[in-house]
Amino acid sequence: QVQLVQSGAEVKKPGASVKVSCKSSGYTFTNFGISWVRQAPGQGLEWMGWISAYNGDTKYAQKLQGRVTMTTDTSTTTAYMELRSLRSDDTAFYYCARVNYYYALDVWGLGTTVTVSS
Amino acid sequence: DIQMTQSPSTLSASVGDRVTITCRASQSISSWLAWYQQKPGKAPKLLIYKASSLESGVPSRFSGSGSGTEFTLTISSLQPDDFATYYCQQYSSYSLFTFGPGTKVDIK
Repeated sequence: QVQLVQSGAEVKKPGASVKVSCKSSGYTFTNFGISWVRQAPGQGLEWMGWISAYNGDTKYAQKLQGRVTMTTDTSTTTAYMELRSLRSDDTAFYYCARVNYYYALDVWGLGTTVTVSS
Repeated sequence: DIQMTQSPSTLSASVGDRVTITCRASQSISSWLAWYQQKPGKAPKLLIYKASSLESGVPSRFSGSGSGTEFTLTISSLQPDDFATYYCQQYSSYSLFTFGPGTKVDIK
C-alpha cells in the first residue's frame, strides 16, 4: 500500500539544523511531488514548501525562504527537509505528504516531532 | 500571497445535523481547493479535492462545492466519527499552497 514513513523525533538547540526524512513506498516516486507541512502545538497547519520528485523543482513558503531546503533521493525514494537556524517557534510536528495530480495532499506521513530547546 | 479564511472557527453540532463550513480565498483560485479532516494527535486526512471531488474511501455524506473565491464543505448528517477539525487548502498559480485556519466541530 502507499505509505510515507518519517524519521524519528528530534531535539535540537536554538541555532542548530534538523533534517527529517520521508521514505515512500507503494507508488512510482517520480510521478508525484512531496510537500512538507508543520503544526505547532495547539495551532493550525502551515505549508512549508514542496518538491517535484520528477525533476527536483522546489517552491518554499516565503517566511521560510533561506532557512529550508527540500531534496529527494530517487534511488531510495526518500524525500528530505532540512531546516536551519532553528528557533523555539520551530517546535512543531512536521509532516510530509504526497501531492496528487490535483494539488491536494492525498497521503500523509505520521509526522516527526521537532523540539527546539536550550 | 493568497490568504484563506474559514467560518465559523468553531461549530457545535449534534449527531444527525447538517453542517456547513465556508472557506474564502483572497483572490480567485478556480477550483484548486481541498478539504482535510484532522483528529487530535493524527495526521490530516484528505476528504475533497478540486473543490468537489470526493477522495476514494471517504463517506458520501461529505461534499464540497464552490469555485473562484468561495467554497463550502457540507456534512449531510453528522456522525460521531466526524467530530474533528477541518481545514481548507488552496493551490495557486505561483505553485504555492495555503491552509485555512481551521474549523473545529465539537459536540453540542
